[in-house]
Amino acid sequence: EAEVAQSPRYKITEKSQAVAFWCDPISGHATLYWYRQILGQGPELLVQFQDESVVDDSQLPKDRFSAERLKGVDSTLKIQPAELGDSAMYLCASSSIQGAGEQFFGPGTRLTVL
Amino acid sequence: DAKTTQPNSMESNEEEPVHLPCNHSTISGTDYIHWYRQLPSQGPEYVIHGLTSNVNNRMASLAIAEDRKSSTLILHRATLRDAAVYYCILRRGNTGKLIFGQGTTLQVKP
Repeated sequence: EAEVAQSPRYKITEKSQAVAFWCDPISGHATLYWYRQILGQGPELLVQFQDESVVDDSQLPKDRFSAERLKGVDSTLKIQPAELGDSAMYLCASSSIQGAGEQFFGPGTRLTVL
Repeated sequence: DAKTTQPNSMESNEEEPVHLPCNHSTISGTDYIHWYRQLPSQGPEYVIHGLTSNVNNRMASLAIAEDRKSSTLILHRATLRDAAVYYCILRRGNTGKLIFGQGTTLQVKP
């Protein structure tokens, strides 16, 4: 069964350092999402791509976060510089424009900022 | 975006049915009711969705009130593997945002 791949699974960094997360969606899925999930809360959408275009980044802290999906396939989310409050799980999801549009989530990257 | 209200936690015994309630009194006509669940240390997983009629799939059933202001996710025979956080989400059409709340933490006892 096709799955969304994410790496790394775990990342520990010091504040003010740069970090990057990678996501490979299910093949053929045009829509890709990045979510942030703080411990004890539900996921919060950071950015949504349709192919290579950003369609919603209203909750992305653009002073330090950036996301790209250059060829409309895999995607990278970057934080520079990282802050203590960025410690969270970063989840990637993808969906097809066909059917009910259910989103398929990857296993996430657990970020700890020291 | 319309909000949903769910109990913070519920308990169930293994092999018994579980009814997870969700209130969404401000639902609009184009809002679909989606359920996702998140097992420990995993990303969320789609469970089921519906608009007006009750729905069944291999994982669960979704019962939607006639006025659509509430719904219930039904797990017919809970297993230990069903212990998770269950999120009830209103989604505008098939492309609207998923806005996750706190969800209901389901504990299944052997």
